[in-house]
Order: sequence, then C-alpha cells, then structure tokens
Amino acid sequence: EPEVTQTPSHQVTQMGQEVILRCVPISNHLYFYWYRQILGQKVEFLVSFYNNEISEKSEIFDDQFSVERPDGSNFTLKIRSTKLEDSAMYFCASTQDPNSPLHFGNGTRLTVT
Amino acid sequence: SQQGEEDPQALSIQEGENATMNCSYKTSINNLQWYRQNSGRGLVHLILIRSNEREKHSGRLRVTLDTSKKSSSLLITASRAADTASYFCATNGNQGAQKLVFGQGTRLTINP
Repeated sequence: EPEVTQTPSHQVTQMGQEVILRCVPISNHLYFYWYRQILGQKVEFLVSFYNNEISEKSEIFDDQFSVERPDGSNFTLKIRSTKLEDSAMYFCASTQDPNSPLHFGNGTRLTVT
Repeated sequence: SQQGEEDPQALSIQEGENATMNCSYKTSINNLQWYRQNSGRGLVHLILIRSNEREKHSGRLRVTLDTSKKSSSLLITASRAADTASYFCATNGNQGAQKLVFGQGTRLTINP
C-alpha cells in the first residue's frame, strides 16, 4: 500500500538555524498538510496546501515557516530561524479529497538546542 | 474552535475488556474521524463517520455520533494488548475548511 514518507526521522539543530523537513506524499493525492505534535500534547494543524498554494494556515505558521512543492513528488516545510519551542514531531499528511481520511507519515522529530 | 476534546485523557483496562473513549467538539462538522497513534509514530486512520450518520462499525470498532450533543464515542470491544496506543478524534468542518482539527487524545493501555 502506498505511504507518505518523511525524512529525516530525527533532526537536531541549533537555535537560529534553518531546517528543511521533507515529505513525499502519496502520488495521486492532491491535498497536503503539515501538523506538529509537541511531546505528549495534541496534534496541531500548521498548514494545508493545494494546487501549488497554501489554502489555510494556523497562527503557529508565522513568517518563519514556509512550504514548497518543488517538484511533482516532494513537499517541504522550512523553518528559517529555529527556536527552542519549535522542538516537536512534525507530521506530513496527504489525501485525495479534503473530506477523506488523511494519510500520515511517521514524522520528523525536530530537536532544537 | 471546532476542536475535538477526548475523555478520558488516560484509560487502563484488562485485556478482553471493552474500552470506550469519548470526544466532544464545538462547531458544525462535515465528518468526524478517529485515528490511532502508536508511541513515536504517525497517526493511522481508523474510521470516519459523516454528520448524517449515527453509528458505524469496523471490525472490533464501533463509533457513534450525536450531532445534537456534538459528541462521539469510540468503542473497542474485546481489547488486546496490541490496542495499546493513543486515540484521537478529529473534526472536519463544513465551512469549506481543508483541515482536520485534532483533540487531545486518550492514552489507552491494555494490561495483559
């Protein structure tokens, strides 16, 4: 069964550094999402992306965050200048239809020191 | 906010018993979904129930939806140790929003 893949599985970075988290959604999906989960807390919506543009973003998704679909397969989340509070699991998800279930990757654990 | 809020936050039962988790939300929805998360892993979709449905079954899972009370429940029957995980409800709004909003989750532990 096709799956969403995320790399790397764990990223350690210093405060102020830029990080790029990568995702390969399922190939025939059209809607893409990033969520994050701080350890032991709820899964929080960051951004949704459709037709090569952001369709919705949360208040967490400030100017330090950006998303890109540079080619037909990758979907990336960039954090320009990481803060300690950006430490979390970041999950990518995709779906064919926004009213259908999401398919999640296994996440990237980001640790900012 | 259309956040789902689950209760209890944690539930520990013996293998073979039934586990019931509840979810409440605040605004109108298109559908409500339940997901499972094993520790440190991604979320896996379990079941979706539409706003015009009241009950849905999938194997040992039974989901109910009461839109008048804005609540849902997930019942896992004949629990197994492998059911140990966190369970989240998520709501999909009916205002054209293209996102799922997740609740806090219930941490379920099945004791052998």
